[in-house]
Amino acid sequence: GESVGLHLPTLSVQEGDNSIINCAYSNSASDYFIWYKQESGKGPQFIIDIRSNMDKRQGQRVTVLLNKTVKHLSLQIAATQPGDSAVYFCAEEQYNAGGTSYGKLTFGQGTILTVHP
Amino acid sequence: SQTIHQWPATLVQPVGSPLSLECTVEGTSNPNLYWYRQAAGRGLQLLFYSVGIGQISSEVPQNLSASRPQDRQFILSSKKLLLSDSGFYLCARGTQATDTQYFGPGTRLTVL
Repeated sequence: GESVGLHLPTLSVQEGDNSIINCAYSNSASDYFIWYKQESGKGPQFIIDIRSNMDKRQGQRVTVLLNKTVKHLSLQIAATQPGDSAVYFCAEEQYNAGGTSYGKLTFGQGTILTVHP
Repeated sequence: SQTIHQWPATLVQPVGSPLSLECTVEGTSNPNLYWYRQAAGRGLQLLFYSVGIGQISSEVPQNLSASRPQDRQFILSSKKLLLSDSGFYLCARGTQATDTQYFGPGTRLTVL
């Protein structure tokens, strides 16, 4: 079936470096994508989202890139800090025929980001 | 604020016992509400979602059920727990206007 997956299960970086977390999705009809950050024992926290009519969106220290041609999504974190250490999930959603949301997200398996001081 | 409360935070139950997890949402009316389960080291699996009082859609056949007795209350239940029901249960809310879902703090369930 359709799925969203991650290329790298773990990523270790030094404090101050830039981090790139990747996600591949298989449903070419996906319309909306979200990145979440989940710290141990906590619920996922919304980071940034992007719709399929965009290829780039920037937030505070984070940038999401969407390449629909190869069905690839990435999250870039600038000047990574120890507090960024967490599991990062991508999630995707397909809209219904009317262009509105079913409200059902499909999540990838997650990437563990470890930031070393 | 649009806060999501879940309780209990942790729960240890024997196999065959009943279950009731509660989720309440503040600060928003008529939210879409969701129950997810997360196995250790894995992604999130959607179990149920609700677009209004008494309206429940099930995503995965299982021995769990959900109810929405009030606009801002979502309950996850089971009559008899299985070992495989162990996991981290997350409640989330969305709105009719946006697609983004926001998550509560979760309930860690261990079935022994």
